[in-house]
Amino acid sequence: NAGVTQTPKFRILKIGQSMTLQCTQDMNHNYMYWYRQDPGMGLKLIYYSVGAGITDKGEVPNGYNVSRSTTEDFPLRLELAAPSQTSVYFCASGTGLDLSGEKLFFGSGTQLSVL
Amino acid sequence: LAKTTQPISMDSYEGQEVNITCSHNNIATNDYITWYQQFPSQGPRFIIQGYKTKVTNEVASLFIPADRKSSTLSLPRVSLSDTAVYYCLVGPLPYTGGGNKLTFGTGTQLKVEL
Repeated sequence: NAGVTQTPKFRILKIGQSMTLQCTQDMNHNYMYWYRQDPGMGLKLIYYSVGAGITDKGEVPNGYNVSRSTTEDFPLRLELAAPSQTSVYFCASGTGLDLSGEKLFFGSGTQLSVL
Repeated sequence: LAKTTQPISMDSYEGQEVNITCSHNNIATNDYITWYQQFPSQGPRFIIQGYKTKVTNEVASLFIPADRKSSTLSLPRVSLSDTAVYYCLVGPLPYTGGGNKLTFGTGTQLKVEL
């Protein structure tokens, strides 16, 4: 199994451009998440999804949009890129239904720079 | 969500046992305690999770006192490869409703030297 796959690994955007960060998981997990991590900081939750067709905001959703049309895919959309969105973005997935505990599986991240 | 406090950094030597303590004074009844490890340029990796008392797996132990206001991650006989940032998270499990809004703080940077 590949686990959680994120593309691209690196991207440079100009202010005002838009892009979609792709995330795919092959573990049939119901829950998926998008986090951002600024240098030297912890991870902040942007959006999450509890299943296909269901999404909800996390701690820092402004400037981002998500969709969840399938169990496997959870893309993150930046509509008007701003320098404040320069960060490393991590996608994660989890079963969300394990009564004995819950562990998240993370992708390798996308490093985004907005100049 | 319960706020967590952990040391910013710790230093150790190879072969030593490392204990990282996390304070979470306002932990709720249905909150679990989870630890993740993160290497540079990688996503966090699950280490261990517990609710109360002691949990042990192949890589670490988690000690949780009866009042659950703190927890200690114990790494036995660390090696250079254990140099990483360790995050303590406290919150309800997703199945309890409301999704998962666990927050990663700044973590503890563990540096292991020869």
